[in-house]
Amino acid sequence: EAGVAQSPRYKIIEKRQSVAFWCNPISGHATLYWYQQILGQGPKLLIQFQNNGVVDDSQLPKDRFSAERLKGVDSTLKIQPAKLEDSAVYLCASSLRGTGANVLTFGAGSRLTVL
Amino acid sequence: AQRVTQPEKLLSVFKGAPVELKCNYSYSGSPELFWYVQYSRQRLQLLLRHISRESIKGFTADLNKGETSFHLKKPFAQEEDSAMYYCALGPYNQGGKLIFGQGTELSVKP
Repeated sequence: EAGVAQSPRYKIIEKRQSVAFWCNPISGHATLYWYQQILGQGPKLLIQFQNNGVVDDSQLPKDRFSAERLKGVDSTLKIQPAKLEDSAVYLCASSLRGTGANVLTFGAGSRLTVL
Repeated sequence: AQRVTQPEKLLSVFKGAPVELKCNYSYSGSPELFWYVQYSRQRLQLLLRHISRESIKGFTADLNKGETSFHLKKPFAQEEDSAMYYCALGPYNQGGKLIFGQGTELSVKP
């Protein structure tokens, strides 16, 4: 089966600019997650979707971050305006269901550098 | 609070030596625990989960609820085991999300 696809793989922007990341989960996976991984730290959940509804966005900095999954498949994560501390790898993951603890399948990640 | 702690950032051993990567968690309910691994230039992937009770690539992990630990062990390390290892907690009935520790880099020297 095809894995979780993410693009772009790398992005360099200046602070206060905007950026968007795209994720295509594994076909049939109802649950989609966006994680932020800052260098030297473990992944931190930003937002979780079940189909096209938000399950958990408690750690999403909503003043600058937004995410959508309009048709319950692909998802986009946007940052506007970016800050230096947003430099990180943004990981998308998907899983079959959203109840209980699941096995997450991760994409390769999108590495963001904010100058 | 729901938290996962991996006290070692780096663990360096020689090939053939035993390995133990430590993981402690904080969670009031019955957790599901996982170990994920990231080899160089590869994606983060599942290594094992406690409910499976299986050995993957020679690694095992036992959930100790009394000590709130889920340490990863392997009796004889191999060079190909060198990677970043992340312990993760799956809180019950919270939509399937995982809470990750900060990771331990395992370096196995020849």
